[in-house]
Order: sequence, then structure tokens, then C-alpha cells
Amino acid sequence: EAQVTQNPRYLITVTGKKLTVTCSQNMNHEYMSWYRQDPGLGLRQIYYSMNVEVTDKGDVPEGYKVSRKEKRNFPLILESPSPNQTSLYFCASRSHRAAKNIQYFGAGTRLSVL
Amino acid sequence: DQQVKQNSPSLSVQEGRISILNCDYTNSMFDYFLWYKKYPAEGPTFLISISSIKDKNEDGRFTVFLNKSAKHLSLHIVPSQPGDSAVYFCAASTVAGNMLTFGGGTRLMVKP
Repeated sequence: EAQVTQNPRYLITVTGKKLTVTCSQNMNHEYMSWYRQDPGLGLRQIYYSMNVEVTDKGDVPEGYKVSRKEKRNFPLILESPSPNQTSLYFCASRSHRAAKNIQYFGAGTRLSVL
Repeated sequence: DQQVKQNSPSLSVQEGRISILNCDYTNSMFDYFLWYKKYPAEGPTFLISISSIKDKNEDGRFTVFLNKSAKHLSLHIVPSQPGDSAVYFCAASTVAGNMLTFGGGTRLMVKP
């Protein structure tokens, strides 16, 4: 089954404790991205990657890091989480050959930073 | 400032009637528009899209209308069904297509 898988689905942590949210897709998609969803603000793009070893900032990259060492994986790293990073996070992917910017999303990771 | 806005946080409609969800944008560089649907505890799923060279796109019960001069698009669902109850996000993309800009979402409730 074609899918984007995020882990963990739920995470509670404390301020300053480094964490990684993993994202993996099995569709051989070149493009992957991370979003955060906050009430009234919709989804905002954090980082995206056009292909292996190619990453770029989205609209809200502060406090986040990403890496793209393999085509299928695109982890999101919070080096020193803060309470304002409490949010619902989504990973997405798409093929460069697909109709423009139709992205496929994972089920989400709900993060609480205390 | 938000470049894509959905001014109605929620909408309630009777089953069988038409649902109309609205979206406004400010960036004239947007050339492709998408609607996503989201159920609780799931990720958004693509519903329908429209290119800026068109003013209407239809797919079954779903139709998207684009008014470029007004920088406005709308999603029509006819007839509405209880299974359509979800949060609907409008999104926009520029020619380069590297990023998607989303609106804040509209929660649609279809009552049986």
C-alpha cells in the first residue's frame, strides 16, 4: 500500500530535550516536506526537499532541522524544543512527474512540549 | 500576513443540500489551487484542483470555481452527504510549485 508513515504519532516532551520525528514514504517520491498545523492558521510549511541531499526552508523553519540522506526518509529534528513548537505535524511527499503539487500526507504527529 | 484565507471556520448543511466553501488569496503569483479534505486523526487528502487558466473544474459531486479578478475560489459539494463532514483546506501554489500555502480550514458538518 502506498503511504507516508510518521513516527511517533503522539509525543510529550520537555523543553530543551532533543527529539526526532521520522517520516518514510514507499512511493519513490523525489519531493518531501514537513508542515505544522495550528488552529486558525492551517498548515504551514517548515522545510521541504526536492531530492536526496537537497533541502530548503519553508515559511516557518526556525527551531527545526531536517536531513535527506535517503530518498524514502525525511526526519524532522527539534534540537531544543520549546512550548511554542507544540503542534500537529505532517509529513508529505509527491512525485516530480505528478500533477502540480498534489502532495500525499502522513497521518500526523501530535507533539506537546511542556 | 496570511496569503490564503478561509473566512468561515465552520459551516453546517443539511444532507442533500449544496455546501459552498470559500477561499480568498492575495498573492497574484499563485497559479494552481487545490482543496484538501481532512478527517480527525488522519492526514489531509487531495480532493480537487484547478489551474489559473480555467475558471471551473468538476469531479463528480465536487466543483471548484476560480475567479481570478476577485482572487477568490469556492468549492461546491452537491449533494452533500454526512460522510463529507470534515475540515476542508484550500491551498495555493506558484509556478515554481515548490511550496504549498494553506488557508486556515473550514469545518463542514453535514446533518442527516
